[in-house]
Amino acid sequence: AQSVTQPDIHITVSEGASLELRCNYSYGATPYLFWYVQSPGQGLQLLLKYFSGDTLVQGIKGFEAEFKRSQSSFNLRKPSVHWSDAAEYFCAVGAPQAGTALIFGKGTTLSVSS
Amino acid sequence: GAGVSQSPSNKVTEKGKDVELRCDPISGHTALYWYRQSLGQGLEFLIYFQGNSAPDKSGLPSDRFSAERTGGSVSTLTIQRTQQEDSAVYLCASSSRLRDGEQYFGPGTRLTVT
Repeated sequence: AQSVTQPDIHITVSEGASLELRCNYSYGATPYLFWYVQSPGQGLQLLLKYFSGDTLVQGIKGFEAEFKRSQSSFNLRKPSVHWSDAAEYFCAVGAPQAGTALIFGKGTTLSVSS
Repeated sequence: GAGVSQSPSNKVTEKGKDVELRCDPISGHTALYWYRQSLGQGLEFLIYFQGNSAPDKSGLPSDRFSAERTGGSVSTLTIQRTQQEDSAVYLCASSSRLRDGEQYFGPGTRLTVT
């Protein structure tokens, strides 16, 4: 079955500390992988995506993610967290074809402490 | 340019009433998607449109749910005889054939059924 697992429901990180959010996927074909962020009352904003090529992808707001096929993982990282990064983060997987529904993980809520 | 817009932003309705939710995609985006975000269920795919046709309705939870798209642009999601379990945030996304797989999300409509 196709699925995305985000093992951590809630993470608290001190401001300035590094962050890693985990994502594991199960997908029958070549996956397109995404990380989205959702602030309260807002829609989903795309942070970064992986289609092919370099397995380390850079995104907006200083985020990066690494695709590891052998581990079926696509973990999101940031070297130094800012208070404004507090939000809910969703990992998603889809297929290259337009019109393919994205399969989302259940999300990880990030809190940032001062 | 303008992003995906949705209206209303909030809707409170009584159980048994019908509701219509509107999505206005990014201009020129041929693909349009509806998702539902509810507590405990995460983000679930409902339906996908390519132009005015809906090749994938597999996510619609019951025959009380329907959607249409006219002029290859605006889409309306209709829920008939609403139930309390329909309470959720309904998100719309659109994508362009030129950027397969990358979906841009609207802010959502929060539906509360009392």
